[in-house]
Amino acid sequence: ETGVTQSPTHLIKTRGQQVTLRCSSQSGHNTVSWYQQALGQGPQFIFQYYREEENGRGNFPPRFSGLQFPNYSSELNVNALELDDSALYLCASTVSGGFGNTIYFGEGSWLTVV
Amino acid sequence: GDSVTQMEGPVTLSEEAFLTINCTYTATGYPSLFWYVQYPGEGLQLLLKATKADDKGSNKGFEATYRKETTSFHLEKGSVQVSDSAVYFCAFNDYKLSFGAGTTVTVRA
Repeated sequence: ETGVTQSPTHLIKTRGQQVTLRCSSQSGHNTVSWYQQALGQGPQFIFQYYREEENGRGNFPPRFSGLQFPNYSSELNVNALELDDSALYLCASTVSGGFGNTIYFGEGSWLTVV
Repeated sequence: GDSVTQMEGPVTLSEEAFLTINCTYTATGYPSLFWYVQYPGEGLQLLLKATKADDKGSNKGFEATYRKETTSFHLEKGSVQVSDSAVYFCAFNDYKLSFGAGTTVTVRA
């Protein structure tokens, strides 16, 4: 039990649509990040939020956006979905303050774009 | 650029065999190093970590030592069980986690 919950667990969308994925972190975890894991690959960093501000971004286009809320919840939004967006999306949270801090992952949201 | 390279799989072992998964990294500075495990259909779970050179992380019989001189963090377990069948990811943290491609391990009874 990591204390990080994600919803929905599975969803199917059509190319061109928009999707919102949600994450709830442990109380006190002021840093949340999102990762995309394509089938058979390692997770790829999308972006990170600290105290409701984006403070790091991987190699993903602007149609990937996020929000972090004061209640330790967050969202990942993807606009204009493409077939290659089909993947497991993982939310991760931690307490900022050092690169050795444990980062806790949720179970993920499986997105299929058809 | 910064990256993680880990041994390609899949790896198939018999129960009670010795497991080792090689991992090397390229990073500026001295990042913290992690091994994560992913069981079928699940998210990532932290298996062990090491935050500085010569640190040994250990958990559930798995061990890995942070070797700065060889920039390595190889995962080992002396006697695997069927329940250890999973995908194992090596990663380092320098504000974000950078993962290797993962190594699929299957343990046969």
